[in-house]
Amino acid sequence: DIVMTQSPDSLAVSLGERATINCKSSQSVLYNSDSKNYLAWYQQKPGQPPKLLIYWASTRESGVPDRFSGSGSETDFTLTISSLQAEDVAIYYCQQYYSTLYTFGQGTKLEMK
Amino acid sequence: QVQLQESGPGLVKPSQTLSLTCTVSGGSISSGSYYWSWIRHPAGKRLEWIGRVFTSGTPRYNPSLKSRVAISVDTSRNLFSLKLNSMTAADTAVYYCARGVPTIRGNTFDIWGQGTMVTVSS
Repeated sequence: DIVMTQSPDSLAVSLGERATINCKSSQSVLYNSDSKNYLAWYQQKPGQPPKLLIYWASTRESGVPDRFSGSGSETDFTLTISSLQAEDVAIYYCQQYYSTLYTFGQGTKLEMK
Repeated sequence: QVQLQESGPGLVKPSQTLSLTCTVSGGSISSGSYYWSWIRHPAGKRLEWIGRVFTSGTPRYNPSLKSRVAISVDTSRNLFSLKLNSMTAADTAVYYCARGVPTIRGNTFDIWGQGTMVTVSS
């Protein structure tokens, strides 16, 4: 299995400040044949299912605000929220889809400071 | 707008079989090339992919659950189903159904049901 490890486990950021969440995979999720990283990010708010934010490590899903961005390659990835809004308080998960045994990170809880 | 909705019992006795259904509305389960998956989330643990089905072909399962799980699709009723047998307390979780967007390798999950809490207890 590809193990996904996120850091930190929790994070408190002030309104309007930058939030950065990291995700590390136990093996590369870069597929050399198409040069794509098979890494997605999800946001989960209380009482709701996860919502797809980003795929291919850096492509925003339709309707996702541009303050959300993803970066990284191979085994190290980052989700950045450039200016935290109140509605961004949630748990964030990374997921690899390089292997069809899909695996998720343990989650990072983002709170308002 | 495609929506998914899980249904099934909230309480299952140990050793029994869990049966859940995911009804697809707002579109046909047969349209497009989507995969249909079940994912669960035990409290305090990671999201765990259970398995997926396409409208044709063989379902694929998480090896850790393969001996106990079956996922099927009913195109006439626009739904897909999960059966998980020999339930134990370790299977207590929120169970989600989700639509998978295929790629050359695996898929992301772009639409999720609201989730249904399943508790295993006598």
